[in-house]
Amino acid sequence: SQQGEEDPQALSIQEGENATMNCSYKTSINNLQWYRQNSGRGLVHLILIRSNEREKHSGRLRVTLDTSKKSSSLLITASRAADTASYFCATDAWGAQKLVFGQGTRLTINP
Amino acid sequence: GAVVSQHPSWVICKSGTSVKIECRSLDFQATTMFWYRQFPKQSLMLMATSNEGSKATYEQGVEKDKFLINHASLTLSTLTVTSAHPEDSSFYICSAQLAGGPGTYNEQFFGPGTRLTVL
Repeated sequence: SQQGEEDPQALSIQEGENATMNCSYKTSINNLQWYRQNSGRGLVHLILIRSNEREKHSGRLRVTLDTSKKSSSLLITASRAADTASYFCATDAWGAQKLVFGQGTRLTINP
Repeated sequence: GAVVSQHPSWVICKSGTSVKIECRSLDFQATTMFWYRQFPKQSLMLMATSNEGSKATYEQGVEKDKFLINHASLTLSTLTVTSAHPEDSSFYICSAQLAGGPGTYNEQFFGPGTRLTVL
C-alpha cells in the first residue's frame, strides 16, 4: 500500500524560481529517497537521506527530513525547463527491502 | 555502473494473450528484484518482490496466478501477464537491488519501464 503523501500534487512555476515539494509518511523509516521521472520514462535517483540526518544537499537540490513530523521536503533552486518532471519520495523501513512511494508531485517549469 | 534494462520497452497485445517482460541487471548481480506498475499520472505501486531461486512475494491484492514472476538467475527476472485484459494496460517498472554488505543500504536501481497496451 502507498503510505506517502506529497504536496502539492502539481506545481507550475517560472524558470529561475525555486520549487519546493513536500512528502509525508506514516511509519518509522530507515531512509527516505527522492526520485525524478520524466513522462513515460523510468526513475532517476536524486538523493537519499538517512533517518539520522536532517538535511542534505546535492547541486541545486536540498532535502530536509523531520522524523518527528514524519515529513521531508525537496527544494530545487534556480529551476530550469529541464526540471519539468514528476518527483516522488520513497521510504524504506528498518529490516524491510521494499520501497513505499509517495503519490508524487508533477512539476512544470515554464520558460 | 548499476544499469538495469527491461525488454520490451513497449508491447501491444490482444486481449487473452500472455505477455512476458524481462528485467536484467547488466553489470551487477541482484538477489532481489521488484516489480511495480504505474497507471497514468499515478505513483508506482509495488506488485511483488522477486528473490532469486525462490517464490516471489506478492503484495496484497495482486493476483499471483495472473502475474507470474520468475527469478531464475542473479541477473534476470521475468514478469508474465497471463490472459491479459485491457485493464492490465499499464507501465510496468522493475528494479534490482544491489547488496551493499552488512550495515549498508541496499540500493535499488530502476529499469526504464515497459508500456503494455492490451487491445
